[in-house]
Amino acid sequence: DADVTQTPRNRITKTGKRIMLECSQTKGHDRMYWYRQDPGLGLRLIYYSFDVKDINKGEISDGYSVSRQAQAKFSLSLESAIPNQTALYFCATRADTTFGGYTFGSGTRLTVV
Amino acid sequence: AQKITQTQPGMFVQEKEAVTLDCTYDTSDPSYGLFWYKQPSSGEMIFLIYQGSYDQQNATEGRYSLNFQKARKSANLVISASQLGDSAMYFCAMREGQAGNNRKLIWGLGTSLAVNP
Repeated sequence: DADVTQTPRNRITKTGKRIMLECSQTKGHDRMYWYRQDPGLGLRLIYYSFDVKDINKGEISDGYSVSRQAQAKFSLSLESAIPNQTALYFCATRADTTFGGYTFGSGTRLTVV
Repeated sequence: AQKITQTQPGMFVQEKEAVTLDCTYDTSDPSYGLFWYKQPSSGEMIFLIYQGSYDQQNATEGRYSLNFQKARKSANLVISASQLGDSAMYFCAMREGQAGNNRKLIWGLGTSLAVNP
């Protein structure tokens, strides 16, 4: 099994629908992140969580919400999807060490039509 | 201002040759870490190599090495003996600050590498 698992891998949804992207990890890391990737804009941080009770907004949190159900699970929701939320979404984890390398999931390719 | 700059949108290299992907960074924090990630066409983000600002030696991981020039604020990735499977997007990223603080990863826009047979 992958260290960081994202589901679904691909999703097409309609404008206005609510959608949830799920992430689970087996690394035992406290820190989890959601990023979106757009061509020409690179990766941008949506939300991050340092533990179950600590959730923080990233640089582009509008239109998104998250839930940290357990240390291993961090889900991202689009309350009312819009076409400009079409992107590749990544979940990542890392340990709280000086090195603290990030481990990424395989990504969710979301298309909002 | 861009904190991470990758000036090469696209690069080509012949199989078995070495290639250098450029990355410059901007920070006033004395403690930082630099990362390189590979993203193949399948989309996943794969960690390649890490360099800490206080590391005395350049990082190496197999065919990957990081040419770290602190005074010039550059952290170029060198791939030796390129393989067809090295064709991918490559991202440079930086994290500032001490361990335990609220540190975020700042990303460059990437370089697309194509390895020709």
